[in-house]
Amino acid sequence: QSALTQPASVSGSPGQSITISCTGTSSDIGAYNYVSWYQHHPGKAPKLMIYEVNNRPSGVPDRFSGSKSGNTASLTISGLQAEDEADYYCSSYTSSNTLPFGGGTKLTVL
Amino acid sequence: QVQLQLSGPGLLKPSQTLSLTCAISGDSVSSTGAGWNWIRQSPSRGLEWLGRTYYRSRWYYEYAVSLKSRITINPDTSKNQFSLHLKSVTPEDTAVYYCAREWGGGCDYWGQGTLVTVSS
Repeated sequence: QSALTQPASVSGSPGQSITISCTGTSSDIGAYNYVSWYQHHPGKAPKLMIYEVNNRPSGVPDRFSGSKSGNTASLTISGLQAEDEADYYCSSYTSSNTLPFGGGTKLTVL
Repeated sequence: QVQLQLSGPGLLKPSQTLSLTCAISGDSVSSTGAGWNWIRQSPSRGLEWLGRTYYRSRWYYEYAVSLKSRITINPDTSKNQFSLHLKSVTPEDTAVYYCAREWGGGCDYWGQGTLVTVSS
């Protein structure tokens, strides 16, 4: 059972925007700006897409953006493309000095 | 460019100890800006953070609560690598295991992943 709650699945058509939520508590997302998001294609290593809530590593398209409000973080992907279809995971630092992941969200591009 | 190379056995029997090593190139295990993490992925549990070690004037070790009694992560400065040891494995520990460098709050470099199967 994950400490961070994500929807199991989301979907969207090419060109549309989608948002994936990640709900935690005042001991993790609500307390720290150390929220990160990962894209995972089966058979490959996960890829960091967002760190520290809303920062993009070099090479990540600006179609990907992150935000946080209270105990909930969000990943928004605008201008959906077929290659965005993957599993997405959030992660947050916690007051217990751990870095749990959310349960993951399967993004389907219709 | 940071590279992480995983090594270790892929098949274990229940009750044995899982031992994996992650060799680092392009960075130092003693880097005061990095954290060195172990993460696993299984179809039933998704991504699961196992623990990490990092150096900030002294070594720190942080572990997932559910594994605290079974897990040890050790840095090896002489070989610039870090290791994972997980005792008393069961089939529930079957997963793809990754090592990853954490920098600025996110894991930016990952090892290639290795499948570890626990079966009698």
